[in-house]
Amino acid sequence: DIQITQSPSTLSASVGDRVTITCRTSQRISSYLNWYQYKPGKAPKPLIYSAVSLQSGVPSRFRGSGAGTEFTLTITTVQPEDSATYYCQQSYSLPWAFGQGTKVEIK
Amino acid sequence: EVQLVESGGDLVQPGGSLRLSCAASGLSVSVNYMTWVRQAPGKGLEWVSVLYSGGSAYYAESVEGRFTISRDDSKNTLSLQMNGLTGEDTAVYYCAKVGDGYSFDFWGQGTLVTVSS
Repeated sequence: DIQITQSPSTLSASVGDRVTITCRTSQRISSYLNWYQYKPGKAPKPLIYSAVSLQSGVPSRFRGSGAGTEFTLTITTVQPEDSATYYCQQSYSLPWAFGQGTKVEIK
Repeated sequence: EVQLVESGGDLVQPGGSLRLSCAASGLSVSVNYMTWVRQAPGKGLEWVSVLYSGGSAYYAESVEGRFTISRDDSKNTLSLQMNGLTGEDTAVYYCAKVGDGYSFDFWGQGTLVTVSS
């Protein structure tokens, strides 16, 4: 099974800051890496698919990059509504798996 | 507009069974890959199972042999039959459609399963 290491587990940022979250996989997964935003009481919201492609309706301040074993989600200018937990997910091979999550707090 | 609505969550005793349903509109479950994901209290997201459009089904090791995913094309509904439930199965269960890059591009609001005596 493919293992995912997501970091950091939590981060605190001010409005307008650039935020970066990283996922590393235990084996190469090409670009089969997706990102989601989760807020308590709501359904997870898909942000990025195939490492770099923005899901429909997602603001352009969310950017995905990477390939192989290292991937990054960047929020270029973080907004108050971006306070949430972010998860990466590998879809290269079954069992599909999520990272441990990164809680983003806005100061 | 795509909508997925889960139902069937409940309080069940350890060792018991439960069947979750996911009613779909705006998409056909028969031609899409459909999946279940869960989130236990205070924990992260966990992939549970997927049903391919061709009928093949796959499971996480934690539920293999206890859970069964299926669909009813006439009702456009996805289901998850859960047997041998334990406290570790307590979670909010979400159904989702698998889209580009095998990402989960549409999600339901979830249904809560609590396993406790």
